[in-house]
Amino acid sequence: DTGVSQDPRHKITKRGQNVTFRCDPISEHNRLYWYRQTLGQGPEFLTYFQNEAQLEKSRLLSDRFSAERPKGSFSTLEIQRTEQGDSAMYLCASSSLGTKNTEAFFGQGTRLTVV
Amino acid sequence: GENVEQHPSTLSVQEGDSAVIKCTYSDSASNYFPWYKQELGKGPQLIIDIRSNVGEKKDQRIAVTLNKTAKHFSLHITETQPEDSAVYFCAASETSYDKVIFGPGTSLSVIP
Repeated sequence: DTGVSQDPRHKITKRGQNVTFRCDPISEHNRLYWYRQTLGQGPEFLTYFQNEAQLEKSRLLSDRFSAERPKGSFSTLEIQRTEQGDSAMYLCASSSLGTKNTEAFFGQGTRLTVV
Repeated sequence: GENVEQHPSTLSVQEGDSAVIKCTYSDSASNYFPWYKQELGKGPQLIIDIRSNVGEKKDQRIAVTLNKTAKHFSLHITETQPEDSAVYFCAASETSYDKVIFGPGTSLSVIP
């Protein structure tokens, strides 16, 4: 296992379409985070899971956004009825609560362009 | 909630010189302060972090300092190299396994 994996790396979609992104965390990491990063800005927290439980959601996560981590391993982030303002880099990170090293590591991100 | 500010937004240095990036945070509950380096088209990479029970930490050419009373922390890169060119983010969190609040970033250019 070489790190956090995100798929796809790039996605272009038409406004109004639904999109789904996948994140595979580092093996045995029980915490998984989603962030959004727009051009020239720092990443902004969206939501995080501990195992399969979604523990916190940012107010940035509108009703059109839903995230799941059904088996406590990989996670999906779905955006329904995409808008141009959803264009951004979506970053996933994972960490391990309860071990010596608890720092979060990020994936390469999924760049979404809504046209 | 936590708010992290970062200065400068852009920084240009000659190769071999030092670079310093300064950050402030607002929430006294924050105890963990990571620094990330992000290259174009890639995700943020953790380069060093510091916890609130430590005032300074060094790893080769990189050092971080923390003043918890003033809510200031800084990144120092010595003997800069062209491969240090990237966007650097400071961040704050209650613990290393909580959500992280990022600063707006500093674009560092190291001129050969």
